[in-house]
Amino acid sequence: EADIYQTPRYLVIGTGKKITLECSQTMGHDKMYWYQQDPGMELHLIHYSYGVNSTEKGDLSSESTVSRIRTEHFPLTLESARPSHTSQYLCASSEVGDRAYGYTFGSGTRLTVV
Amino acid sequence: DAKTTQPPSMDCAEGRAANLPCNHSTISGNEYVYWYRQIHSQGPQYIIHGLKNNETNEMASLIITEDRKSSTLILPHATLRDTAVYYCIGPAGPGYSTLTFGKGTMLLVSP
Repeated sequence: EADIYQTPRYLVIGTGKKITLECSQTMGHDKMYWYQQDPGMELHLIHYSYGVNSTEKGDLSSESTVSRIRTEHFPLTLESARPSHTSQYLCASSEVGDRAYGYTFGSGTRLTVV
Repeated sequence: DAKTTQPPSMDCAEGRAANLPCNHSTISGNEYVYWYRQIHSQGPQYIIHGLKNNETNEMASLIITEDRKSSTLILPHATLRDTAVYYCIGPAGPGYSTLTFGKGTMLLVSP
C-alpha cells in the first residue's frame, strides 16, 4: 500500500493551460522532493522542501513552482504548459534526522502537453 | 553530477546471482551509499544502504570494499521481476540535502 500518492497518474493537456500535479504523503515526513524524468533518461531534481513554508530549487532549472502549506502536501504547478514540459514527474519524501535519508517515491504523473 | 560510476547494462540468467558493481571513489567520512531500482518508469524503490560494513536485507546484500571506494549490490537469486534500472547513489546521508541519481545500470534478467 502506497504511503505517497500522486494524482493524476496520466494527464494530456493543451498548450497554455495551467496545471497542478498533486503529491501527498501519510508518513509525516518533513522533506519532500519533485524529480523530472524523460523516457529512458535520468531523474533530475527540480524542487524540494525541508518542511512547511520551505521550498528550494533543485539541480535542474524548471518553469514549475511548488508550495508547502501542509506537511503532507507538496503540489507542483505549471502556469502555462508547453510541449517542452512533457515528461514524467516523480514526487518523493524522506525523514530528517540522524538516520540515513531513504526516499519513498510515488508512482509518478506522466504529463503530455499537446 | 552523480559521483558514482556504474556499467550501463548487465545481463543475468534467472535464478543466478546478479552482482552489480559501483565505483564511488570520492566518498569519505560519514557518507552513505544508497541503492535504488526503477522498474519500467515506476517511482524508484529503495533497496539498501551502507556506510562501512556489509549489509543484508530481504531484497539484497551490499558489499562495500574496505577502502569504501566501491561496492557491489548482490541479488542472490535473480528473477524476471528484478529486471530494472539499478542506481548506486553516493555520497549521501547527514549533511546532504538531496539524492542525485545518475544513469544507473540496466539489469536484464532472462529465462
